Amino acid sequence: NAGVMQNPRHLVRRRGQEARLRCSPMKGHSHVYWYRQLPEEGLKFMVYLQKENIIDESGMPKERFSAEFPKEGPSILRIQQVVRGDSAAYFCASSRPEDSPLHFGNGTRLTVT
Amino acid sequence: QKEVEQNSGPLSVPEGAIASLNCTYSDRGSQSFFWYRQYSGKSPELIMFIYSNGDKEDGRFTAQLNKASQYVSLLIRDSQPSDSATYLCAVNGATNKLIFGTGTLLAVQP
Repeated sequence: NAGVMQNPRHLVRRRGQEARLRCSPMKGHSHVYWYRQLPEEGLKFMVYLQKENIIDESGMPKERFSAEFPKEGPSILRIQQVVRGDSAAYFCASSRPEDSPLHFGNGTRLTVT
Repeated sequence: QKEVEQNSGPLSVPEGAIASLNCTYSDRGSQSFFWYRQYSGKSPELIMFIYSNGDKEDGRFTAQLNKASQYVSLLIRDSQPSDSATYLCAVNGATNKLIFGTGTLLAVQP
């Protein structure tokens, strides 16, 4: 039973470029969450999605960041015009509708040069 | 006041001892409480969850919840060097998202 799959594992972008991070939830899970973790800091909630719906985006920066979870395919976290401060580990997690525990993917380490 | 607070540590314990990790939370409406373990450079791994007041045991791990005091703890018995990691406390918030503390670094000394 495959776990939460994230790709790429590592992503390097120059300032001003776009970063696209992908997440496929565990089989049977229809809820997806994105978190960001800066070095030596905790996990910060960004956005919670179900298929074709954004449920809670209270942790998303107002500009340059967007997320989607289409009917078909993985969830995408998109960061436009990246800046050095966007360098972090981005974790995706999924859960079943009736179950609270989140199961995390291996993360994408974004480095902005 | 942070929503979920943990002592950042490091908490150092000798091998074989009991490690006690603590967490407080601010939202009295929270119903679900979780402990995750995160090794350096790795993703968080679910260790335990607890929904009701009292203790819940799973192997060497015991989670304790006191909703009146808004306090959650994790006890690790017979600590091993492989338990050395950052332990993250998480509490469910509005819309069922999890709010994480900043974690406590545990170092088990051989």
